[in-house]
Amino acid sequence: NAGVTQTPKFQVLKTGQSMTLQCAQDMNHNSMYWYRQDPGMGLRLIYYSASEGTTDKGEVPNGYNVSRLNKREFSLRLESAAPSQTSVYFCASEGGGQGQETQYFGPGTRLLVL
Amino acid sequence: KQEVTQIPAALSVPEGENLVLNCSFTDSAIYNLQWFRQDPGKGLTSLLLIQSSQREQTSGRLNASLDKSSGRSTLYIAASQPGDSATYLCAVRPVGDYKLSFGAGTTVTVRA
Repeated sequence: NAGVTQTPKFQVLKTGQSMTLQCAQDMNHNSMYWYRQDPGMGLRLIYYSASEGTTDKGEVPNGYNVSRLNKREFSLRLESAAPSQTSVYFCASEGGGQGQETQYFGPGTRLLVL
Repeated sequence: KQEVTQIPAALSVPEGENLVLNCSFTDSAIYNLQWFRQDPGKGLTSLLLIQSSQREQTSGRLNASLDKSSGRSTLYIAASQPGDSATYLCAVRPVGDYKLSFGAGTTVTVRA
């Protein structure tokens, strides 16, 4: 049981390049999330998926696209990277119910855009 | 919009001292509140979850309280150890929403 896995762990991009961050969970959770974490700003939600085939924008969706490929996988794509997208990206999935909904986080992807 | 604040941003204590971490939120209509731990370079790990109907939750040396009416939660860590050094974040889920609102965290250093 690996929980939530993310690839790659680190990435350096040049401005204008594209890349896809991969996330997978093996806990059979319906809900999955993508966050970015910047110093002093806490975590901000980029996109959310309540179930396979559905996605919703979060607080900071501009410059990103997502795909919920199946129940296990939720990918985040940067079509044309900008220096403002330098950040640490976390994927999470959510389990539990009836007030006990708990998010489980992956180890993160550290992205530097030059 | 729900605003979550954690003060102080950083805290340093000697080993053995009890830790008190504060979290405040602006909208009392919450579904639940969670406390997370984050070690450097790692993801977040859930420590405790308090439902809106509860006043507190306990796990080992950790105790979290919730006062919805005043918009506050407190995480107590008894008899701190160097292994407790980490950043602690609180997150609030509003009623009827799927989004968590996170505080910026309190970074704790426990000195041996």
